[in-house]
Amino acid sequence: GAVVSQHPSRVICKSGTSVKIECRSLDFQATTMFWYRQFPKQSLMLMATSNEGSKATYEQGVEKDKFLINHASLTLSTLTVTSAHPEDSSFYICSASRLIGGELFFGEGSRLTVL
Amino acid sequence: AQSVTQPDIHITVSEGASLELRCNYSYGATPYLFWYVQSPGQGLQLLLKYFSGDTLVQGIKGFEAEFKRSQSSFNLRKPSVHWSDAAEYFCAVGAPHTGTASKLTFGTGTRLQVTL
Repeated sequence: GAVVSQHPSRVICKSGTSVKIECRSLDFQATTMFWYRQFPKQSLMLMATSNEGSKATYEQGVEKDKFLINHASLTLSTLTVTSAHPEDSSFYICSASRLIGGELFFGEGSRLTVL
Repeated sequence: AQSVTQPDIHITVSEGASLELRCNYSYGATPYLFWYVQSPGQGLQLLLKYFSGDTLVQGIKGFEAEFKRSQSSFNLRKPSVHWSDAAEYFCAVGAPHTGTASKLTFGTGTRLQVTL
């Protein structure tokens, strides 16, 4: 099946620094990628929809200046958490769709810890 | 907007016993329905999905789910649970009116514990 990979799987950073998380579709071109945030023992909350070559669409309540999303190619989307604070600590998961409206394939997730 | 309810936060079953995880949805028409499984610290793996047609859907790892329009439900079942099935299970809904099966709303999840 299709494979989506995230990197890094774990990252620890100091408060005030920025962290970049990559999401790659390894064996297909992803026209659309999605970024989710998952708090411990909770569900996935959609943060934004990323379309290749255009600006991301953010869900209500998600700060677009805080969570910068770039989808520069059909195989790579990045999420940058800017000026991270402890409350940004979470599990971030990406997913990719081969076709617009197609089945989702999920990455392994990236755990961010902000000290 | 669509919504998903998974009434059971935590379920414990014995290995070899049958399993049913409940999922109820709210949507004005027939939605796209999915079940995903998540192992600790991992991403999500699709177990099965329903778009249309036969309301009994077969998935991977011996799981099946039945879409019941009258009950707005899409419960996940497995006749005999294995210890390796212990994980978090998420039901998700996609809205056909958006033209995409990709933008999903997830339930809060059900954690399955399997005792030997």
